[in-house]
Amino acid sequence: SQTIHQWPATLVQPVGSPLSLECTVEGTSNPNLYWYRQAAGRGLQLLFYSVGIGQISSEVPQNLSASRPQDRQFILSSKKLLLSDSGFYLCAWSQANTEAFFGQGTRLTVV
Amino acid sequence: GDSVTQMEGPVTLSEEAFLTINCTYTATGYPSLFWYVQYPGEGLQLLLKATKADDKGSNKGFEATYRKETTSFHLEKGSVQVSDSAVYFCALRTGSQGNLIFGKGTKLSVKP
Repeated sequence: SQTIHQWPATLVQPVGSPLSLECTVEGTSNPNLYWYRQAAGRGLQLLFYSVGIGQISSEVPQNLSASRPQDRQFILSSKKLLLSDSGFYLCAWSQANTEAFFGQGTRLTVV
Repeated sequence: GDSVTQMEGPVTLSEEAFLTINCTYTATGYPSLFWYVQYPGEGLQLLLKATKADDKGSNKGFEATYRKETTSFHLEKGSVQVSDSAVYFCALRTGSQGNLIFGKGTKLSVKP
C-alpha cells in the first residue's frame, strides 16, 4: 500500500533562518506531488506541484521554493523565512486521475 | 478560473442532528468532486468522492451527490456524532495535472 511521510511535525524557526521540509512517498511510482499551505483560519493554498523529477510548477510568487531530486521525494525550502511564512504545510500525492492523499502536515511557526 | 465555494462556518450542532454543508463549484469541463475531512492537528483525509454527474459518494454515514445542473456537491449526514467534529473541505479536480482546488473549509463542532 502507498504511504506518505512528512517531517518534521512541528518547527519553530527565527525570522531570516533557512527552511527545509521533506516529503517522501512509498508504494507508488511517478506520482504527482503537491505542497499546500494552510494559514490559520483560512483554506488551502496550492504552492507547488510536480509531475516528475526536476519538474516544478509554482502557483504563487513567494519566499519559498520546491525541488524534486528523486521520483518520490519532494522538498520545500526557503533561504530566509519571513513571519508571514508561518502556517500548516501539507504535502500530498496523487496519480493522474485519482484523489490526492495527504501527509500529516508540518506546523511551522516563524518567530 | 475554476473555484469552489462552501458555506462558512463554524457550524455547531447537537449530537444526532442532521448535517448539511453546502458546496458549489465553477469549472470548465467535467471535474471530479471530493470532500476531505481534517481532524485537529492532522492532515486531510478523503471522505468521499464523485467523478461524474449524478454520482453519489458515501462513507461513514456521510453522502454527497454530484449535481451538474446546480453545480453543487452538498455534504449530508443524517445523525452526527461528537467524533465528527472537524473541518470539512470541498474540492474539485480538473486539468491534466489533476490539481485539487479547495474551498475554504467549514468547521463543524458537535456537542454532546
